[in-house]
Amino acid sequence: QLQLQESGPGLVNPSGTLSLTCTVSGGAISTINEYWGWIRQSPGKGLEWIASVNSNGKTYNNPSLSSRVAISVDASKNKFSLKLNFVTAADTAVYFCARHSGGGLRSIPYWGQGVLVTVSS
Amino acid sequence: EVVLTQSPATLSVSPGQRATLSCRASQSVATNVAWYQQKPGQAPRLIISGTSNRAAGIPARFSGSGSGTEFTLTISSLQSEDFAVYYCQQYNIWFTFGGGTKVEIK
Repeated sequence: QLQLQESGPGLVNPSGTLSLTCTVSGGAISTINEYWGWIRQSPGKGLEWIASVNSNGKTYNNPSLSSRVAISVDASKNKFSLKLNFVTAADTAVYFCARHSGGGLRSIPYWGQGVLVTVSS
Repeated sequence: EVVLTQSPATLSVSPGQRATLSCRASQSVATNVAWYQQKPGQAPRLIISGTSNRAAGIPARFSGSGSGTEFTLTISSLQSEDFAVYYCQQYNIWFTFGGGTKVEIK
C-alpha cells in the first residue's frame, strides 16, 4: 500500500523559505511515468495545487506560484521536496504531498496526512 | 485559470435521502473532473475521476456525470459516513479545485 508522509518545519519566518519533504513508502518514486505533487489548503483559499514532478524530474508549477516554487525528486532516498520562497502569511496552510493517478497530471488517489505550516515571526 | 464554482455551499439532507452536488467550470474542461470527499482533520479522498469513474473501494451509491462545463456528483442514499465536504477538481488545464459543498445532516 503506497504511503506518503510530509515532514518539515511547522513555523517559517516571513520572507523566508518554506521547505518540505515527502517520504514515499510502499512503492518506488522512480517508477516510470509516475507523477508526484504538492497541494495546500488554507481557510482563505481552499485547496490549491502548487506543483508536480514526474519520475524523470520534469516539473510542472502552478503559474500563480511559479516564480517562488521549486519541486524536486531524490530517487535514492525515495523522497520528493518542495521549496517555496519569499513566504508571507498568505502561505500559511496545511501542505499535502500526493501522487497522481495513471501516468499523468490527473486525479489524486494518494495523499499524505498533511502538515500545517505557519508563516509568522 | 479555470474557476470551478460549486453549489450549494451547504446541503442539508436526511440519512437515506439523495444528495445532488453541482460543479460549474468557467470554460470547458472536457471530462477531466474529479470529486473528493474530505472529513475534518483528514486529507481529501478521491471519490470519482474522469467525471464518472468511481475510485477503488467507493460504493456504488456515488455517481458522477457531466461534460464541458457542468458536472454533478450524486449520492443516491446518504449514509452516516457520507456527511463531509465534497470538492470538485479539474485537471484539463493545470489543476484547480472548487470551493466545496458541505453535506450536513438535516
